[in-house]
Amino acid sequence: QVQLVESGGGLVKPGGSLRLSCAASGFTFSDFYMSWVRQAPGKGLEWVARISGGGTTTNYVDSVQGRFTISRDDAKKSLSLQMNNLRVDDTAVYFCARGGARYGDSWGQGTLVTVSS
Amino acid sequence: EIVMTQSPATLSVSPGERATLSCRASQSVSSNLAWYQQKPGQVPRLLIYGASTRATGIPARFSGSGSGTEFTLTISSLQSEDFAAYHCQHYSNWPHTFGQGTKLEIK
Repeated sequence: QVQLVESGGGLVKPGGSLRLSCAASGFTFSDFYMSWVRQAPGKGLEWVARISGGGTTTNYVDSVQGRFTISRDDAKKSLSLQMNNLRVDDTAVYFCARGGARYGDSWGQGTLVTVSS
Repeated sequence: EIVMTQSPATLSVSPGERATLSCRASQSVSSNLAWYQQKPGQVPRLLIYGASTRATGIPARFSGSGSGTEFTLTISSLQSEDFAAYHCQHYSNWPHTFGQGTKLEIK
């Protein structure tokens, strides 16, 4: 079955950096778009970034453009999100999701990122 | 960016009754619309895609309808496990955006 396991969350100061990772199993990773979706405490969902299979296409929501970088290693079945210049409003649970061309059909448990001084 | 608006924010319904949740897009998204269920402390689960196609394993009591800018998620006879938050999401273009969610609570 599809499994997505995120890691790398934590507490970071404003302006700091963090790298999230997602380990995938149970499907042909390279065949799928992969995404990061976040949810601020008590708020709705926000699609942050997506990357095509093979990594040729990436897209970001405006609020993270230029600060976040999504990448993937299809050989290792791994997805990453490098987050730089973090802001307080980046505080959220970050979910790794399979999909991104359309919808997310499988989601990881999420990793909490807290940006606070 | 397409803005998705869900109503109501909170819906109180008794078990066994029907629940109707609405989602409106600020411009046409055709049938490029998905619905997710999210229970407290859990991850979103895909319910519906293509506005009306149930995802794998989703019970028949969940149905989706609509196209263009107006969409509806109907749960025909509420079970205890259905009380949760529901999110709509378009995928007509980038960025994909979600509604703010509807919390379905027990009346």
